[in-house]
Amino acid sequence: GAGVSQSPSNKVTEKGKDVELRCDPISGHTALYWYRQSLGQGLEFLIYFQGNSAPDKSGLPSDRFSAERTGGSVSTLTIQRTQQEDSAVYLCASSLDGGGISRQYFGPGTRLTVL
Amino acid sequence: GQQVMQIPQYQHVQEGEDFTTYCNSSTTLSNIQWYKQRPGGHPVFLIQLVKSGEVKKQKRLTFQFGEAKKNSSLHITATQTTDVGTYFCAGYPSGTYKYIFGTGTRLKVLA
Repeated sequence: GAGVSQSPSNKVTEKGKDVELRCDPISGHTALYWYRQSLGQGLEFLIYFQGNSAPDKSGLPSDRFSAERTGGSVSTLTIQRTQQEDSAVYLCASSLDGGGISRQYFGPGTRLTVL
Repeated sequence: GQQVMQIPQYQHVQEGEDFTTYCNSSTTLSNIQWYKQRPGGHPVFLIQLVKSGEVKKQKRLTFQFGEAKKNSSLHITATQTTDVGTYFCAGYPSGTYKYIFGTGTRLKVLA
């Protein structure tokens, strides 16, 4: 595909369950970012990958959140023991390279609802 | 912590009026990017500013980066209904690995 894709597009889960969100970046993009956007709010930085490594995990809200990236491509964001305050749209973005010198291309997001 | 504030939070204008949103960072930025998010959509890149005092234009949109690289503005001349959406700035603080997004300005254009 030509753009960043994310799956699922919508996820409804019960409090306490684990969820896994997937991001497929644009082919060849080495940098990958995860953000969280609550309704009507701005984007909250979660984590940044350069290749398979994550030099900045400072935005992860708690130890229930983890992310990995394999093969310098697909990334998964895992939320364990979900809470209602985790409900938000989770956006993934990729860019050609890191260091803040390239534009970010955003995926359509995954809307997570925790009941 | 590092913060990027945007004002105003909301702006309603009549079609044809001008619009400006301002972005202010608590720290010096290596660069700043601007994005537009339509209702129900995802952010779409508009432009990147890198140099101190830089000014860039895209048709009716004018972007500025402050001399101290701590503030920026987006000005839209003669707004159209297609300009509706939320405009975000995203600052890249020096020495970090992340973008800090501003709080956004939601623009409504009344026909």
